[in-house]
Amino acid sequence: SQQGEEDPQALSIQEGENATMNCSYKTSINNLQWYRQNSGRGLVHLILIRSNEREKHSGRLRVTLDTSKKSSSLLITASRAADTASYFCATASYTGGFKTIFGAGTRLFVKA
Amino acid sequence: AAGVIQSPRHLIKEKRETATLKCYPIPRHDTVYWYQQGPGQDPQFLISFYEKMQSDKGSIPDRFSAQQFSDYHSELNMSSLELGDSALYFCASSLGRLVGETQYFGPGTRLLVL
Repeated sequence: SQQGEEDPQALSIQEGENATMNCSYKTSINNLQWYRQNSGRGLVHLILIRSNEREKHSGRLRVTLDTSKKSSSLLITASRAADTASYFCATASYTGGFKTIFGAGTRLFVKA
Repeated sequence: AAGVIQSPRHLIKEKRETATLKCYPIPRHDTVYWYQQGPGQDPQFLISFYEKMQSDKGSIPDRFSAQQFSDYHSELNMSSLELGDSALYFCASSLGRLVGETQYFGPGTRLLVL
């Protein structure tokens, strides 16, 4: 199974509402990153949170990390139709090399 | 700012053919990663390189090989293509040896195997 598993798998909200996506992982990590992907396009890096950090903000994004529960959440406030995309969490762990493992992603639909 | 460049952007091949995908990292980035993303799937890590040496290996089939050149660009060579190889192939680059530093992704190469 995937290192990073996300829920919900799909989320549909109205413009202006907040969207929360969660990610759980299994092994210890160095950091966790959130990416956004518009359909069939490249991944855009949103935010990186290190294992010694608990919360991080970037614009309308808020990320939390709970290493004791091996989970992270991404909150998008005041969502816009343009936020419609798939959101992936990716965990980075030292395994003798550089490897980042992606979760299955949450598909977010923001209705105008 | 310069981004990761991948070529070609689209590629159509037949079964048993070979394909070569190219990746040009952001200038001064010394680490390159390759990912495969099937339809509706999450990106799967294939392989990474740091300073022209293979750094880590993921779920890369034996039919695939990759290398990083002296100018830091990387190529993913895929032989004996199968229908299941149809996917979006991403390259990402980062700077430095620190584990998990921010990876910047290219737009991907969409490979279709007929």
